[in-house]
Amino acid sequence: AQKVTQAQTEISVVEKEDVTLDCVYETRDTTYYLFWYKQPPSGELVFLIRRNSFDEQNEISGRYSWNFQKSTSSFNFTITASQVVDSAVYFCALIQETSGSRLTFGEGTQLTVNP
Amino acid sequence: GAGVSQSPSNKVTEKGKDVELRCDPISGHTALYWYRQSLGQGLEFLIYFQGNSAPDKSGLPSDRFSAERTGGSVSTLTIQRTQQEDSAVYLCASSLGNTGFKTEAFFGQGTRLTVV
Repeated sequence: AQKVTQAQTEISVVEKEDVTLDCVYETRDTTYYLFWYKQPPSGELVFLIRRNSFDEQNEISGRYSWNFQKSTSSFNFTITASQVVDSAVYFCALIQETSGSRLTFGEGTQLTVNP
Repeated sequence: GAGVSQSPSNKVTEKGKDVELRCDPISGHTALYWYRQSLGQGLEFLIYFQGNSAPDKSGLPSDRFSAERTGGSVSTLTIQRTQQEDSAVYLCASSLGNTGFKTEAFFGQGTRLTVV
């Protein structure tokens, strides 16, 4: 079975603060993919990153960075110097090889960045 | 347009009526997914189409739900005899290739269904 847990339901920060969104996953497969999606108030999910299980190298894209640690089954997402436009619901998701293309999502974390 | 298009964007229906939700995937994308998002909840997988293969219907919550994909492109999700618990945002997504789990899915803006 596959499962994604995002323990933080809501996070509120002040603009320019750094914030980390946690994601813990469960899978019995050795081959799997992890994703982060952003859902702004408009409702459309926006793809942010994909990481496969064989690549533990952390990634940085502008103010965004991701920390993948297989030892703790975590794939955390950090926003540096947050901005009001970062306010959204963020979903972590998992596809495991034996489940075909079924994306399993976490419950999401509502991030509010206050000016 | 270049993205996934869903219609209608909002639908209010009476309990017991049938509804059809439409999804136009990105041109060239062979994989198409339907997900449901209830208020304040995560995303629940419903069904997955890949090319001409038999769809993965394992996420459909009951036999009142069905979906088809005509010509490998447009998909319609049908809910018969709607119930209030069917109220949710129904999201469609598409992705490239027959190894969909290796590529990201692009989502539409969803159809907000309200059953009264």
